Amino acid sequence: DTGVSQNPRHKITKRGQNVTFRCDPISEHNRLYWYRQTLGQGPEFLTYFQNEAQLEKSRLLSDRFSAERPKGSFSTLEIQRTEQGDSAMYLCASSLFLGGTEAFFGQGTRLTVV
Amino acid sequence: GENVEQHPSTLSVQEGDSAVIKCTYSDSASNYFPWYKQELGKRPQLIIDIRSNVGEKKDQRIAVTLNKTAKHFSLHITETQPEDSAVYFCAARGNAGNMLTFGGGTRLMVKP
Repeated sequence: DTGVSQNPRHKITKRGQNVTFRCDPISEHNRLYWYRQTLGQGPEFLTYFQNEAQLEKSRLLSDRFSAERPKGSFSTLEIQRTEQGDSAMYLCASSLFLGGTEAFFGQGTRLTVV
Repeated sequence: GENVEQHPSTLSVQEGDSAVIKCTYSDSASNYFPWYKQELGKRPQLIIDIRSNVGEKKDQRIAVTLNKTAKHFSLHITETQPEDSAVYFCAARGNAGNMLTFGGGTRLMVKP
């Protein structure tokens, strides 16, 4: 599968624990996005990278959230001191840096905080 | 920032009928409007998109129309089939940031 890959697919964690998710974009794509989707809602933008530079972060992204894309390839999203409200599907998407090109989504990581 | 509203939230049609989903956006600078289909437990998949320099685009049974003046765009599915049943999301992307802002989704149910 040469699409966007996310790991793990599912994560159950206890409140207060830290979790880290990984996203591997389509290889030639230089833009990478993180979104969060809760049940019955559309994806909400969290942050995006162009190559290794993090260009924008949503106000939804609290200080407990951090994302990196150190070599401009894969990205990680870490949530520290998880809360029950963090339970959601975390989606990664990638695209080429050209105006109006399609964003391809990964399968997502479903986080459940208990 | 951009705000996208989508209606209806649920839509039930008989197989063979048409379905129309409507979205409005707030940022007049938005220039790219994709539609995604998401089946239960799966990733959102692009089904059609339209850019602001085009008023209408069609791909087989699916069409999208854009009214820039009114800042709304619509998805039209003709001759619906049971496999069209899914949640559909509209989105808008402006020049700033390049991220997509999504509508709340429409759950389409096609009854055989």
